Amino acid sequence: DTGVSQDPRHKITKRGQNVTFRCDPISEHNRLYWYRQTLGQGPEFLTYFQNEAQLEKSRLLSDRFSAERPKGSFSTLEIQRTEQGDSAMYLCASIRQGAGREFFGPGTRLTVL
Amino acid sequence: ILNVEQSPQSLHVQEGDSTNFTCSFPSSNFYALHWYRWETAKSPEALFVMTLNGDEKKKGRISATLNTKEGYSYLYIKGSQPEDSATYLCAFIWNAGNMLTFGGGTRLMVKP
Repeated sequence: DTGVSQDPRHKITKRGQNVTFRCDPISEHNRLYWYRQTLGQGPEFLTYFQNEAQLEKSRLLSDRFSAERPKGSFSTLEIQRTEQGDSAMYLCASIRQGAGREFFGPGTRLTVL
Repeated sequence: ILNVEQSPQSLHVQEGDSTNFTCSFPSSNFYALHWYRWETAKSPEALFVMTLNGDEKKKGRISATLNTKEGYSYLYIKGSQPEDSATYLCAFIWNAGNMLTFGGGTRLMVKP
């Protein structure tokens, strides 16, 4: 399968714990995006990378959130000291710049107890 | 703050019914509008990328129109089937932006 993959698909954690999610984009795609979707809402932009450079971060991304894409391939999103409000679906998408549309992964559903 | 609105929020139809949803977005600095279908436990799947005022796109029983001057797009499904049950998302790209700004989605349920 050459689509976008995300791991894990589901994560249940206790408040205050740290969690890390991984996204593997389509190999020739140089841009990678993270979005978050909470119940009843559409996905909201968090951050994006062009190759290994993080070019933009949303104000939604508090200091507890950090994202990396060290070699311009896969990306990780870490949430430190999770809060119940972090419970959401975290979506990753990738695109080859100028190609027209983003390809999404299946998401990681985070539940913070 | 960019506001993208979708209506209705949810829709229940019978198999064979035709239906349509609305997406409204800011009419200034338009770059592109995307429609996605998102089935439970799957990845959102792109249906259409629309860039020009007056665009009409079709994929099987699904079609979409775009009016950038007044800031709306319609998605039509002809003869709905149970497999069309999904959340339909529209997403707007602003001229200077690089990310998608999504509407809240329309959740469609088609009863056999």
